[in-house]
Amino acid sequence: AQSVSQHNHHVILSEAASLELGCNYSYGGTVNLFWYVQYPGQHLQLLLKYFSGDPLVKGIKGFEAEFIKSKFSFNLRKPSVQWSDTAEYFCAVNEPSGYALNFGKGTSLLVTP
Amino acid sequence: NAGVTQTPKFQVLKTGQSMTLQCAQDMNHEYMSWYRQDPGMGLRLIHYSVGAGITDQGEVPNGYNVSRSTTEDFPLRLLSAAPSQTSVYFCASTPFPRGASPLHFGNGTRLTVT
Repeated sequence: AQSVSQHNHHVILSEAASLELGCNYSYGGTVNLFWYVQYPGQHLQLLLKYFSGDPLVKGIKGFEAEFIKSKFSFNLRKPSVQWSDTAEYFCAVNEPSGYALNFGKGTSLLVTP
Repeated sequence: NAGVTQTPKFQVLKTGQSMTLQCAQDMNHEYMSWYRQDPGMGLRLIHYSVGAGITDQGEVPNGYNVSRSTTEDFPLRLLSAAPSQTSVYFCASTPFPRGASPLHFGNGTRLTVT
C-alpha cells in the first residue's frame, strides 16, 4: 500500500517568511498528487494538484509545489506567508486507476504577526 | 449549488448507541467516500463507493457500515458506538474514474462517544 509522509508536523513562522512543507510518497508508479488546506473549523479545500506535465504547479493564494519524481517528493512552497495562511496542510496521493486517496498526517502551520 | 452536505454537524452518543451520519451530494458524482480525522493521524478512509449499489472498505472500516442506494446519498452507520469512534467525520465526492479530479468535502460531523 502507498504511504504518504509529511516531515513537519508543526511549523511556526513569522509573516513574510518563506514556507516549504515536505511530502514524500512510497508508490513507484504513475501517481496523482494533491495538496489540501484546512482552515480552522472548516473542511478541506484543494490548494493545487499535479497529474502530468510541468512538474512545477501553481495553486491558489500564491502556493506552488514541485514534483520531483526521482525523490518521490511533492513539496509545497510559498515565498511569503501571511497570517491568514494559518491552517493545516495535507499532502495526498492516489494512483490514476486507484480508488483510494491516501493522505499524509498533516502539517499544522501557525503564522504569527 | 449545495455541493456535499453532511448532517448533523455535532453529535454526542453514549457507548453502545447507534446512529447514522448523513451525506448527500448534488453534483452527480459517482465516487463517494467517508474519512475520519483524528489529531496527528491525518485523514483515514473508512468506506467508499464508486456508484449506486457498490461499496468497499477503506483503511479503517471496523465498526462502520455503509450503503449506496442512490447516486446522491451515502450514509455512514455506527451500529454500536465506542469511545474510539470519537472523531471528526468527513464525506467527500468526486467524478469517477477519479484520476486527477479532486475530492469535494463536506463540512464534517464532530462525533463524541462517552
